[in-house]
Amino acid sequence: DAGVIQSPRHEVTEMGQEVTLRCKPISGHNSLFWYRQTMMRGLELLIYFNNNVPIDDSGMPEDRFSAKMPNASFSTLKIQPSEPRDSAVYFCASSLWTDNTGELFFGEGSRLTVL
Amino acid sequence: GDSVTQMEGPVTLSEEAFLTINCTYTATGYPSLFWYVQYPGEGLQLLLKATKADDKGSNKGFEATYRKETTSFHLEKGSVQVSDSAVYFCALGYSSASKIIFGSGTRLSIRP
Repeated sequence: DAGVIQSPRHEVTEMGQEVTLRCKPISGHNSLFWYRQTMMRGLELLIYFNNNVPIDDSGMPEDRFSAKMPNASFSTLKIQPSEPRDSAVYFCASSLWTDNTGELFFGEGSRLTVL
Repeated sequence: GDSVTQMEGPVTLSEEAFLTINCTYTATGYPSLFWYVQYPGEGLQLLLKATKADDKGSNKGFEATYRKETTSFHLEKGSVQVSDSAVYFCALGYSSASKIIFGSGTRLSIRP
C-alpha cells in the first residue's frame, strides 16, 4: 500500500508568493493532520480534519495560512503571502480514527524555503 | 491540559552503549503513550506504544513501560547501533480523539 504522499518535496520561493502544499492520505484513513517542524519550535500541529471536516485549527499561525480537504483523498495547505519565517518542513499525517491505536502515518514532508 | 516533556538533546553515545531517553507526561485522562522515531530526511514513524498502565511496548530492541505512578514512559535499549541515530519523540493520545500530543523530540547520535 502507498503511504501518505506529499508534494512538492522541496519548494523555494520568494517572500510574498503563494505556496500550496499537497497531501494524499492513506486510502481508508479518515483523519488528516498538518504539522510544521522547525529547529526552534519543534513539531507543531497546525490543523486536523476528521471525515474531511476541520476539527481544530488553533495551531494555524495566522490568517495567511489556510487548509482545505475537499474529499477524503486530498488536502492542501496554502500560505498567502509567504514570509521567510514560514520556512520549515511541513508534514502531513493520516490515521484511522476509529481503530483506537492512535498511530499516525506521516508523509516524507515538504521542505519550504522562503527567501 | 495534557503535555509531554522529554529530556533535552542531543544525546551522543558510543555503539553498544545502553540508552535511556526520559519522558514524562501530564494527562487529564487515561491516554495511550507512544514513541515515534524520525530518521534523517524522513517523516515520523511509530516505534512502539502502550495503551494502559504497566503495559510494556517493544520494537527493534527498544522498550518502554507505561508507569502511571510516576507518569513516565522512558525509552530504553540495551545496546545501540549507529543505525539508531535519529530524533525520538514521546507522545500521548486518546482513543476518543484523534489528536496526538508530541514532546519536543530528542536527537540521538551514535558513534561507531
